[in-house]
Amino acid sequence: GAVVSQHPSRVICKSGTSVKIECRSLDFQATTMFWYRQFPKQSLMLMATSNEGSKATYEQGVEKDKFLINHASLTLSTLTVTSAHPEDSSFYICSARKVGTGYTSNTGELFFGEGSRLTVL
Amino acid sequence: AQTVTQSQPEMSVQEAETVTLSCTYDTSESDYYLFWYKQPPSRQMILVIRQEAYKQQNATENRFSVNFQKAAKSFSLKISDSQLGDAAMYFCAFFSGSRLTFGEGTQLTVNP
Repeated sequence: GAVVSQHPSRVICKSGTSVKIECRSLDFQATTMFWYRQFPKQSLMLMATSNEGSKATYEQGVEKDKFLINHASLTLSTLTVTSAHPEDSSFYICSARKVGTGYTSNTGELFFGEGSRLTVL
Repeated sequence: AQTVTQSQPEMSVQEAETVTLSCTYDTSESDYYLFWYKQPPSRQMILVIRQEAYKQQNATENRFSVNFQKAAKSFSLKISDSQLGDAAMYFCAFFSGSRLTFGEGTQLTVNP
């Protein structure tokens, strides 16, 4: 199967600091990775789509200068929450789509990371 | 824009019985995919079942099956012989182009 790993799984930081979350596809290459945010007992909200080697596409209402996304390789995307504040506390989940033609890459089946819980004090 | 609606915030079922979770969606696309994902307390998203819009036959995966009504834009999930491990949040999701849109979720409780 396809495995996506997120790190760290939990992070606590002080207000005003920056936090980086990594999303790695361990056994496949991912041209596209997605970052979601999930508040307690709510659905996953797409924040941005990152494509390897190009700038991320942000959803309406998501501040690109606040949430920096880098997709430097086919197996790694990072989300950096800059100058974090308590309202940024949330569960962040990444997902990755496999490279290549064929059924899997065309269906949109995404492989999800375990998520990262950010708490900003 | 596509929207996905799950009208049941919470559902409960007795162990070994059957439960159906509802999902409707709105789209002008003709080619798309529908999914049900499960999110247990660990928060890991797990794919339960997938349906291609061009297929008339309803997808099944062991105890999980869907009732896909394309004209009505309805995509319900039936869980048969419910098990305690089925307890989780279930999300219906719609995919078209490069976007995966989730419904609000249904919290399923399985009573022993």
